Amino acid sequence: DAMVIQNPRYQVTQFGKPVTLSCSQTLNHNVMYWYQQKSSQAPKLLFHYYDKDFNNEADTPDNFQSRRPNTSFCFLDIRSPGLGDAAMYLCATSIPGGRLHEQFFGPGTRLTVL
Amino acid sequence: LAKTTQPISMDSYEGQEVNITCSHNNIATNDYITWYQQFPSQGPRFIIQGYKTKVTNEVASLFIPADRKSSTLSLPRVSLSDTAVYYCLVGDRKNRDDKIIFGKGTRLHILP
Repeated sequence: DAMVIQNPRYQVTQFGKPVTLSCSQTLNHNVMYWYQQKSSQAPKLLFHYYDKDFNNEADTPDNFQSRRPNTSFCFLDIRSPGLGDAAMYLCATSIPGGRLHEQFFGPGTRLTVL
Repeated sequence: LAKTTQPISMDSYEGQEVNITCSHNNIATNDYITWYQQFPSQGPRFIIQGYKTKVTNEVASLFIPADRKSSTLSLPRVSLSDTAVYYCLVGDRKNRDDKIIFGKGTRLHILP
């Protein structure tokens, strides 16, 4: 089945130690999004790619970076994780011209910062 | 995206019909209404979308009155597995990237 895959599902890192979360998709969608979701809050969009065009949300901290080496893969890099970065990180995809506001989400990676 | 207002939480019992209402007084002519469902520890899932009147699919129904200033997501005969957060979104395709901004959502808790 076509899907959005996130690895690992659970990630533990230490304060200040760089960490990378990965997302892959078999849907061949042009657009990939990264969201941060803290406990009992709504998902918050960090940035997204339209193909290789990177679009950062205005309030996304500089500590968060992203790479998209090809259509299938997208990475979220947190350069110096703080305790406040502990959250679920969700990857999603969409296809231009597809149903309005329909995004396909992965299961998420839960990040713990010690 | 138009601002939306939903109840923060709701409780219901198995077998009941659940209706979650979303207010969107500033909805624009070209805006559509979309609902997402998010189970615990999973990503959100698109469940239904409509523009006016009524839309029904295998998951839910969406009722939209003529003035479109509100909408109601209806879940028939809920089960424990319908416990989730339900997000209402209102907007139009502003650009090719089709960003969505999630509001606070409604936390639905189904009791046995």
